[in-house]
Amino acid sequence: DTAVSQTPKYLVTQMGNDKSIKCEQNLGHDTMYWYKQDSKKFLKIMFSYNNKELIINETVPNRFSPKSPDKAHLNLHINSLELGDSAVYFCASSPRGLEGKFFGPGTRLTVL
Amino acid sequence: QQQVKQSPQSLIVQKGGISIINCAYENTAFDYFPWYQQFPGKGPALLIAIRPDVSEKKEGRFTISFNKSAKQFSLHIMDSQPGDSATYFCAASKRGTDKLIFGTGTRLQVFP
Repeated sequence: DTAVSQTPKYLVTQMGNDKSIKCEQNLGHDTMYWYKQDSKKFLKIMFSYNNKELIINETVPNRFSPKSPDKAHLNLHINSLELGDSAVYFCASSPRGLEGKFFGPGTRLTVL
Repeated sequence: QQQVKQSPQSLIVQKGGISIINCAYENTAFDYFPWYQQFPGKGPALLIAIRPDVSEKKEGRFTISFNKSAKQFSLHIMDSQPGDSATYFCAASKRGTDKLIFGTGTRLQVFP
């Protein structure tokens, strides 16, 4: 199936831990993103990468670090997790020159 | 500062009725206005999008109406079906930025 996939789907962890979320797209898109959806369902962009180069970094704490090993992958590493980091994190991708975004299924992160 | 304001927060419609969701934006530089549909536990999916050079776009039962002077756009779902029950997000972006600003979402419930 051609899609944007994320792992894991659920992540439950303690405050202070470090965790990673992985994202892969097999759509051949050049640009990948991370979005955060909070408990009120508000969606906000965190990062965007174009062909492994960071394009957008939206005032996200330094504890969040995206890593793009290649055009098809964009992982999100979070250090020293805090309660406020609990949210659903969506990876997305889009082809060059088009604004339509294809979203992954999301990773629900719960910090206890 | 909410750049894209969406209403209503929730909407209940009878099967066969018309669902109408409204959005207003501040930034006149926005030139791309998509609507996304999100089912529980899934990522948002692009439904339909419009640019400011047209006042209306229709795809099947879904229509976007765009009023550039009022800086407003709306989604109309004709002949609403229970399968349309989902959360709908309007969004906006400006050319060249690749940064999609989302509205706060509308939870639509269509009852048989």
